[in-house]
Amino acid sequence: GQNIDQPTEMTATEGAIVQINCTYQTSGFNGLFWYQQHAGEAPTFLSYNVLDGLEEKGRFSSFLSRSKGYSYLLLKELQMKDSASYLCAVTDSNYQLIWGAGTKLIIKP
Amino acid sequence: IAGITQAPTSQILAAGRRMTLRCTQDMRHNAMYWYRQDLGLGLRLIHYSNTAGTTGKGEVPDGYSVSRANTDDFPLTLASAVPSQTSVYFCASSDHALGPQHFGDGTRLSIL
Repeated sequence: GQNIDQPTEMTATEGAIVQINCTYQTSGFNGLFWYQQHAGEAPTFLSYNVLDGLEEKGRFSSFLSRSKGYSYLLLKELQMKDSASYLCAVTDSNYQLIWGAGTKLIIKP
Repeated sequence: IAGITQAPTSQILAAGRRMTLRCTQDMRHNAMYWYRQDLGLGLRLIHYSNTAGTTGKGEVPDGYSVSRANTDDFPLTLASAVPSQTSVYFCASSDHALGPQHFGDGTRLSIL
């Protein structure tokens, strides 16, 4: 079966760094996405990885290891507005996105 | 402002009633999707359309139908609503099947 695992909840301090992990088992692989979703709002696109390595975009970076079925999202210089759920999603062999349940990130001052 | 519009924003519906959720995008995206999001679960794909005139079944299609008569519109119909269909429904679109998806604001649907 297809499965994406990520921690349910994480807590971090304003100004710090946090790493949100995602492991996946899917039928085929055509890329991995990270989305941010604030409570009561729609998901918004953060990053896309299809090759191994690190993709950096401002305070956010995303890493992929296809051989390990593993990705992480790294958030630096945390701000209170970063409090949200972070969703990991993998495009399978049918080009459909399989979604993890999301990691709720709580930022404390 | 370009984007995706969903209607209604929220709805309370009696079980057994028919309901159509509307979704319109003005980005000329080829692909469109309908998801439901339930507490503790990831987004689950109901139906999708890779291009106008074609549709496909996702992970949880039972009880739902869609049509894609043109590029912009992708309505989702519940033929006879049941309480287990209480959920938040998101419509999304992408330029192509491997592209990032852009989401509407969602429809909060309660079936009593």
